[in-house]
Amino acid sequence: GDSVTQMEGPVTLSEEAFLTINCTYTATGYPSLFWYVQYPGEGLQLLLKATKADDKGSNKGFEATYRKETTSFHLEKGSVQVSDSAVYFCALSEAGGTSYGKLTFGQGTILTVHP
Amino acid sequence: DVKVTQSSRYLVKRTGEKVFLECVQDMDHENMFWYRQDPGLGLRLIYFSYDVKMKEKGDIPEGYSVSREKKERFSLILESASTNQTSMYLCASIGNEQFFGPGTRLTVL
Repeated sequence: GDSVTQMEGPVTLSEEAFLTINCTYTATGYPSLFWYVQYPGEGLQLLLKATKADDKGSNKGFEATYRKETTSFHLEKGSVQVSDSAVYFCALSEAGGTSYGKLTFGQGTILTVHP
Repeated sequence: DVKVTQSSRYLVKRTGEKVFLECVQDMDHENMFWYRQDPGLGLRLIYFSYDVKMKEKGDIPEGYSVSREKKERFSLILESASTNQTSMYLCASIGNEQFFGPGTRLTVL
């Protein structure tokens, strides 16, 4: 079955540091890939997505590129802020039809940014 | 600006009780989902529904059931709560955009 593996956390950075959170996946078809963020006490929010190989998703300074050859979708940000402290989830959804929205999640990575 | 609401943020129940978790969306979405979130395990799909009266099992349906009598409401039912069902439960409503509810943290004593 499908699976998503994220780098283990927690990750602790100083403000303005560079962030990378690794994500690799296993899927039988050609999935869509997502990064979600969960701020303390809140539900999940979609951060960015990519629906086909070589697509780059971006939002709020975060970026991730769909790499089919390495089955990866690593999240990056050039300069993190304290307000980026949250839990980040990588996820995939099998392409097409009524299966859209049936998501497989990674285990989550806790990010803490210090001033 | 309400999108997805869940009936409770925190809930404490006793072993053996029947528990109802309600989720309501106001976006006329057909697709609704129930996940549970546990540390180190991410989110796992319990049940989902693509239409009224329709339901399908997700990856971990044991001990749960669901009800979708109206398009906007998707209920998760724990028939006889057990301590291993202590978790955070998240509802999602997905159409052209995706929205998750704030979650219900359920503790079963």
